Amino acid sequence: SAVISQKPSRDICQRGTSLTIQCQVDSQVTMMFWYRQQPGQSLTLIATANQGSEATYESGFVIDKFPISRPNLTFSTLTVSNMSPEDSSIYLCSARREPGELFFGEGSRLTVL
Amino acid sequence: KQEVTQIPAALSVPEGENLVLNCSFTDSAIYNLQWFRQDPGKGLTSLLLIQSSQREQTSGRLNASLDKSSGRSTLYIAASQPGDSATYLCAVRPVNQGGKLIFGQGTELSVKP
Repeated sequence: SAVISQKPSRDICQRGTSLTIQCQVDSQVTMMFWYRQQPGQSLTLIATANQGSEATYESGFVIDKFPISRPNLTFSTLTVSNMSPEDSSIYLCSARREPGELFFGEGSRLTVL
Repeated sequence: KQEVTQIPAALSVPEGENLVLNCSFTDSAIYNLQWFRQDPGKGLTSLLLIQSSQREQTSGRLNASLDKSSGRSTLYIAASQPGDSATYLCAVRPVNQGGKLIFGQGTELSVKP
């Protein structure tokens, strides 16, 4: 298994600002992903964080809104840019060491006023 | 396009009952299927991973089965306890889609003392 730490665990943000979420894994992993969980909804994949290169975004998500970095095999960041109330969600970092399970962090709960 | 459906959406049972949660998926081309538990406001905890070549996996009071050809999985919880109350999510890893998981909407389980 892998232990995934996310910071911040929660935050209240003003409209128009940006927030960066950090994800640290306790061991090297092959794949890292960022998911969003809107209130009362299931999880939707935002993007795959690729080490040393641009992230691979899912349909409906763009780099300008959700820039992602992954400088090494254990760390990634997700920035939510120019936030609006519609961005209020739980953002979850996940990781896998092939060919095993996908593990999740505790999530970062963002509220945008 | 892969779609994952979980039935029922919510379930309330008295303590001690055995119960079954259902998950169905539309495309049988999967690497594996994973069951998760999510407590309110928290991240996801991996419960069981079933590879596409396997029929079932067991962990303690939990047993998950997989029938890939019919696109179905069940999660059996024996002798339910109030501490089992949570949302249970099923997710499949499609073949050739970069390692991401596709999630169902979840079943919210409440076990009454």
